[in-house]
Amino acid sequence: DIVLTQTPLSLSVTPGQPASISCKSSQSLLNSDGRTHLHWFLQRPGQPPQLLIYEVSNRFSGVPDRFSGSGSGTDFTLKISRVEAEDVGVYYCLQGIQLPLTFGGGAKVEIK
Amino acid sequence: EVQLVESGGGLVQPGGSLRLSCAASGFTLSGYWMYWVRQAPRRGLVWVSRINSDGTIINYADSVKGRFTISRDNAKNTLYLQMNSLRDEDTAVYYCARDFSWAAFDICGQGTMVTVSS
Repeated sequence: DIVLTQTPLSLSVTPGQPASISCKSSQSLLNSDGRTHLHWFLQRPGQPPQLLIYEVSNRFSGVPDRFSGSGSGTDFTLKISRVEAEDVGVYYCLQGIQLPLTFGGGAKVEIK
Repeated sequence: EVQLVESGGGLVQPGGSLRLSCAASGFTLSGYWMYWVRQAPRRGLVWVSRINSDGTIINYADSVKGRFTISRDNAKNTLYLQMNSLRDEDTAVYYCARDFSWAAFDICGQGTMVTVSS
């Protein structure tokens, strides 16, 4: 199974400051079609997960442009340029290239 | 409004069965792969099962293989998860989700709680 390791486990951020979350995969997530199937979700407290970024760096519809994704192969990063109060929650990466689909353990973002 | 609504959760004894339903509205279910994902209390997200648009491709996590059955009725715009031989470790909120691209779920229901306990 592909293991996704997220760091840090939690971070406390002052509003307006940047935040960064890493997701490292135990195997390359580059598919033979040239696409990399690594996605990012945010789960706000008491809510289902919502898609933020798909295929490493594509912002999903309606997602603010302060969210960005980058990376390749096995190393990926989600960045929030200026954290806002509504960004609180747990961020998960997910790989869709190989079964079983696997999520990272999550990174909890709190506001200072 | 495009949405998914899960139902059928509840309290069941170990070894018991439950059938979860996921009703789609605002879109035609038949055009999409669909997924079940679960989340045990205070834990992370875990993929459970997936089914392609016409039900001919089905996959399960090893932890539920042989006990859970995913199915769909596109005429009723509804996804199902039949859960048999339930164990304590199946206790979780179960979410159904619509595939956008290679497991990037763009729509997720609010979830239904399944509690397995004697």
